[in-house]
This record gives sequence, C-alpha cells and structure tokens, in this order.
Amino acid sequence: RKEVEQDPGPFNVPEGATVAFNCTYSNSASQSFFWYRQDCRKEPKLLMSVYSSGNEDGRFTAQLNRASQYISLLIRDSKLSDSATYLCVVNMITGFQKLVFGTGTRLLVSP
Amino acid sequence: NAGVTQTPKFRILKIGQSMTLQCTQDMNHNYMYWYRQDPGMGLKLIYYSVGAGITDKGEVPNGYNVSRSTTEDFPLRLELAAPSQTSVYFCASRGDRGGEPQHFGDGTRLSIL
Repeated sequence: RKEVEQDPGPFNVPEGATVAFNCTYSNSASQSFFWYRQDCRKEPKLLMSVYSSGNEDGRFTAQLNRASQYISLLIRDSKLSDSATYLCVVNMITGFQKLVFGTGTRLLVSP
Repeated sequence: NAGVTQTPKFRILKIGQSMTLQCTQDMNHNYMYWYRQDPGMGLKLIYYSVGAGITDKGEVPNGYNVSRSTTEDFPLRLELAAPSQTSVYFCASRGDRGGEPQHFGDGTRLSIL
C-alpha cells in the first residue's frame, strides 16, 4: 500500500461546480496534513493546512478523518483558475519527520 | 522576501558531464530537501538534510550527491549526467515545528542529451 494515495483524475467540472477530492494515508501516527496546488511545470505551493477540526479558507474546505485515515478537499464555485493538480501531503513520523507527497489529483475547470 | 532560491532555472547537459544545482534559503530553516519530478509524475525525494553537516538519502539518490556546509545552502551534484536524469528538480525547506509545511523553490529544468 502506498503511503499516500490519491485518485489521479482528471476531474472535469464546469465553472461554478463543487468538486471534492479524497486522499488516504497509511501511517496512523501521522500528525500534520496539507493540500498543495501545482500548476503545470511550476513548483508546488501550499494551499492550506488541514486541522483536526476541519478548516475553511474562502471557497476551499479541508477535512481530516483520522479513524478512516483520509483527508479531503472541497472546492465550491469552481473557477477556471482552479485548474491545477492538487497534492495531498502527510507528515509521517518514521524516526524523523518526513513529508510524503501524493502523486496529485488533476482538476480541469471548463467554461 | 526571497524564500527558497534555485539556480539555474534551465540547463542542458551532455551525457557524462557534471554540474551542481544550487539551492539557498533565507528563512533559517534546518530541514532542506531535493526532489525530482518527471513529466506527469509525482515528486520523488532524492536527498534531504535536517541541519548543517547532516544529510541522508531519499528514495532515488543514485547518481546524485549533496552537501550541507551551512544552514542556508544545499547544493545537489550530478557527477556523470545520464539521460534518465532529465527532469525538473525542486528544492524545498521547512522549519522545525511538526506542523510546518515545506516551501519550494521554482525549480531547475534539466535536460541531458
């Protein structure tokens, strides 16, 4: 089993749609979780951290389910500019703290 | 606010040549990382460092070397370039606290011909 797994997509949605991505992780001792966004041929950029109680930043909502070992990202009112690859990142505790990146979920928002 | 700076941004090498990819950060971060990303694929960790003088291998270290003589700098060395090393290379750093995210440089696009 991969340490962090994501559906690669692509998710094709129209502008204004709501879309959700899930990400599962294998290490139950993981402490920190993040969503990054990566545009084509660019560096990954932090979108938001994921807190135990869930958190929201504008149109973006992140949730953590420790019992089932997954995190989710919900995007409301999708914009064309949301088209990107979304990377799930988990801080694994394996002797030292290691951030493990998922391979990403591609989102395409069309007019 | 420089953050993580990588140089060069682009480079073309011939097979067998060597080069050093530079990475420097001005955030006083102890943790630094080198990743490679092949087209359409995820990030793969090459080497990482938890502080000056301390480095360790990631999942794909073969063909690369690193050093960490200062907190700021973490250069990546390719000794004998091979076509399989054609990729985009990202350097990243983060602070010491457990919940800290990584901050990335904007990458070096390397082609080996």
